[in-house]
Amino acid sequence: QKEVEQDPGPLSVPEGAIVSLNCTYSNSAFQYFMWYRQYSRKGPELLMYTYSSGNKEDGRFTAQVDKSSKYISLFIRDSQPSDSATYLCATFERGQAGTALIFGKGTTLSVSS
Amino acid sequence: DADVTQTPRNRITKTGKRIMLECSQTKGHDRMYWYRQDPGLGLRLIYYSFDVKDINKGEISDGYSVSRQAQAKFSLSLESAIPNQTALYFCATSDFVGGTDTQYFGPGTRLTVL
Repeated sequence: QKEVEQDPGPLSVPEGAIVSLNCTYSNSAFQYFMWYRQYSRKGPELLMYTYSSGNKEDGRFTAQVDKSSKYISLFIRDSQPSDSATYLCATFERGQAGTALIFGKGTTLSVSS
Repeated sequence: DADVTQTPRNRITKTGKRIMLECSQTKGHDRMYWYRQDPGLGLRLIYYSFDVKDINKGEISDGYSVSRQAQAKFSLSLESAIPNQTALYFCATSDFVGGTDTQYFGPGTRLTVL
């Protein structure tokens, strides 16, 4: 079992829909969780990060971590065609200075106008 | 100007050829990474370097080598390219500040091995 699992989709929604993107992870020591967004033919860019459990909101985006179930989510409200991209979750274990990020495979989202 | 640059952006080569992909960064970060991205497989770490004297193998280092020429430069070599190394390659940098490790990616190099 990979340490971070993510449904690759693709996920297609109409403009204005609420989108839920999800990942599960296996290592309870993971404490930092990130969402990267990757547009076609571009490198990934950090969208949001959260520490431990709880929610973090940034405009139309909300990142949520449930450590009890090892589940992380990204919600997009009022989705726009410009949100069409691949979204990758990522994590690492705090305190492990020699550890690189662990990425999920990414979920491809398409928002139609 | 972009903070993380990769050259070349596209490359087509033949089986058995030696290929070098180069990465430069102006962010002043100590940490640099090489990933490959394949459809359905996501981003996989090839090598990473936490400073000029520190090189570490990632998940899929076989068939690849790296060189950290300076803090700002990290190159990836395929000594003898094979078709299953056809992929999108990304370089990334990060600074481990405040307990977080935000990675900044370059634009990618699309490599095709015939």
